Amino acid sequence: EVQLVESGGKLIEPGKSLRLSCVASGFNFGNFAMHWVRQIPGKGLEWVSGISWDSTRIAYADSVKGRFIISRDNVRTSLHLEMNSLRSEDTALYYCARGEALLSFIDYWGQGTLVAVSA
Amino acid sequence: EVVLTQSPDTLSLSPGDRATLSCRASQRISTTYLAWYQQKSGQTPRLLIYSTIARAPGIPDRFSGSGSGTDFTLIISGVESEDFAVYFCHQYDSSPQTFGQGTRVEVK
Repeated sequence: EVQLVESGGKLIEPGKSLRLSCVASGFNFGNFAMHWVRQIPGKGLEWVSGISWDSTRIAYADSVKGRFIISRDNVRTSLHLEMNSLRSEDTALYYCARGEALLSFIDYWGQGTLVAVSA
Repeated sequence: EVVLTQSPDTLSLSPGDRATLSCRASQRISTTYLAWYQQKSGQTPRLLIYSTIARAPGIPDRFSGSGSGTDFTLIISGVESEDFAVYFCHQYDSSPQTFGQGTRVEVK
């Protein structure tokens, strides 16, 4: 069974940094691209960032480019999102998600970890 | 960036009704790169359709997708009680990949 378990979300002040993590199990992690998608509760979905299976290709939404860094560890089957210079508009539920490629549909989603940016 | 606009925002239906959900793109998308997801209250999104017409594993055949160019459609041929949810379209033809704002299918 595919499982994606996120952690690291919390209440944090604007301008601070935060690192989200996702541990994957139940599939060959190194064969898949991985993504972060966020959602303000009750609102729509926003793709944040994606990384290819071998970390050679990475993409970011314009809203986070230059502030967020995505990375992965295929040995530890983990995905990370380093979030810097956080803003109130980054407040959302952050999902770890699996895709076949950097540009692909998403076939599995984690339960999400909540990031709240507020003074 | 490709903007996806879904309509209507809310669809009020009775069980057994046919649901027709629209997703319009701001520029042409290959049919290979359009997906639909269902999200029930308090749950994570679930993949329904990918490549415009392909049903994901385990998705009932009352769900079908169609379309091309800039206009795509999700049809639920006879809405069942478990289908009342929010539906999102998603394009992955170009980066950044984008989602529509969602259509809520609610009980009439």
